[in-house]
Amino acid sequence: DTGVSQDPRHKITKRGQNVTFRCDPISEHNRLYWYRQTLGQGPEFLTYFQNEAQLEKSRLLSDRFSAERPKGSFSTLEIQRTEQGDSAMYLCASSLGQGRADTQYFGPGTRLTVL
Amino acid sequence: KQEVTQIPAALSVPEGENLVLNCSFTDSAIYNLQWFRQDPGKGLTSLLLIQSSQREQTSGRLNASLDKSSGRSTLYIAASQPGDSATYLCAVRRGSSGSARQLTFGSGTQLTVLP
Repeated sequence: DTGVSQDPRHKITKRGQNVTFRCDPISEHNRLYWYRQTLGQGPEFLTYFQNEAQLEKSRLLSDRFSAERPKGSFSTLEIQRTEQGDSAMYLCASSLGQGRADTQYFGPGTRLTVL
Repeated sequence: KQEVTQIPAALSVPEGENLVLNCSFTDSAIYNLQWFRQDPGKGLTSLLLIQSSQREQTSGRLNASLDKSSGRSTLYIAASQPGDSATYLCAVRRGSSGSARQLTFGSGTQLTVLP
């Protein structure tokens, strides 16, 4: 257990529905990241927060995706009008911001299946 | 664009053997490199982080090396055990310009250690 928690762990939804995932980082970490991982591949970066500010967004993050970190603590990732191609593991990570020694700690992930 | 490659994609060894996992990256202007372990259906566990100014890091039976000029890193596992069976991922964080915090991952090496 890295100290990063994600909820739910599994989500099955029908195409076209909206889903929301939550990430609780390690409490003193001011940096939070979302990644997406498909089977047999490494994680791909989606977005990054420093405190409550969303500072980076990948081109993978289409208009149907939105992420928030309202008080600089937990974060939510919402996918609207889900598509089958959204099926993946969504991983959250956090870090303390220690320059070149900055280690990202990952949560257990939320596995999304879109039927 | 940074690309990270891990070869082989899968490796099977008998218990007790020493082994080396390889990671190569195309852009040598990296900030740091992390090695992770991922068990099936689970999140990522950080194993070692090597800063760009370092040549190697050690933790227990694990030793990671970094050669920025050739764009390579290796993860050495001594006296392998069945519990080491997992997928090993390497990830690089690019140079410090701007807010480039995200990690770029390879696809991983799936290691099986046979009893």
